[in-house]
Amino acid sequence: DTGVSQDPRHKITKRGQNVTFRCDPISEHNRLYWYRQTLGQGPEFLTYFQNEAQLEKSRLLSDRFSAERPKGSFSTLEIQRTEQGDSAMYLCASSSSGGPNTGELFFGEGSRLTVL
Amino acid sequence: QKEVEQNSGPLSVPEGAIASLNCTYSDRGSQSFFWYRQYSGKSPELIMFIYSNGDKEDGRFTAQLNKASQYVSLLIRDSQPSDSATYLCAVIKPGGSYIPTFGRGTSLIVHP
Repeated sequence: DTGVSQDPRHKITKRGQNVTFRCDPISEHNRLYWYRQTLGQGPEFLTYFQNEAQLEKSRLLSDRFSAERPKGSFSTLEIQRTEQGDSAMYLCASSSSGGPNTGELFFGEGSRLTVL
Repeated sequence: QKEVEQNSGPLSVPEGAIASLNCTYSDRGSQSFFWYRQYSGKSPELIMFIYSNGDKEDGRFTAQLNKASQYVSLLIRDSQPSDSATYLCAVIKPGGSYIPTFGRGTSLIVHP
């Protein structure tokens, strides 16, 4: 078990460009989450998948954000037409499903986005 | 009112003391409660979870839950400088989706 991996770890981009982040969850976990974290704040929920189905999206997720999880394995989070306010750490986490202990999330190291 | 509230701190305690971290939540029907530790520049890692009223102990850590008062706390006994980190409280609200909602975290500093 290699844990949750995210790529890239750091991304610097210019305003208006598109960026894509990838997350590989722990292989036996069927739930995958994306959170965003800014300095001094806790992780804010963006979206989650159970297997390949995207079951919930936060109101924070504007139409510039899209996430996929083809075949229920890895996931991608794309941000189109980036804005400076998108600068944050994007955290991916996975968990197994089944009752209240589903909140036991295993986080990746995060992808830090800086929009200039 | 935020869904999960924590004092941002920093909470400063001397080495060997008990550190007490508190969290309140707004949704009375919340089911499960989690404490994560986040070192600076790192991602959160789970320390403990608690579902039932009362205390739950794991080594130097004790989680306390009081559903009537809607608060959950984390006690760290014999605090060490290596415990210096941000502690995040996470709550699962009722509704079936089991998505953890996090507080902003409390920064703990343990000084020698």
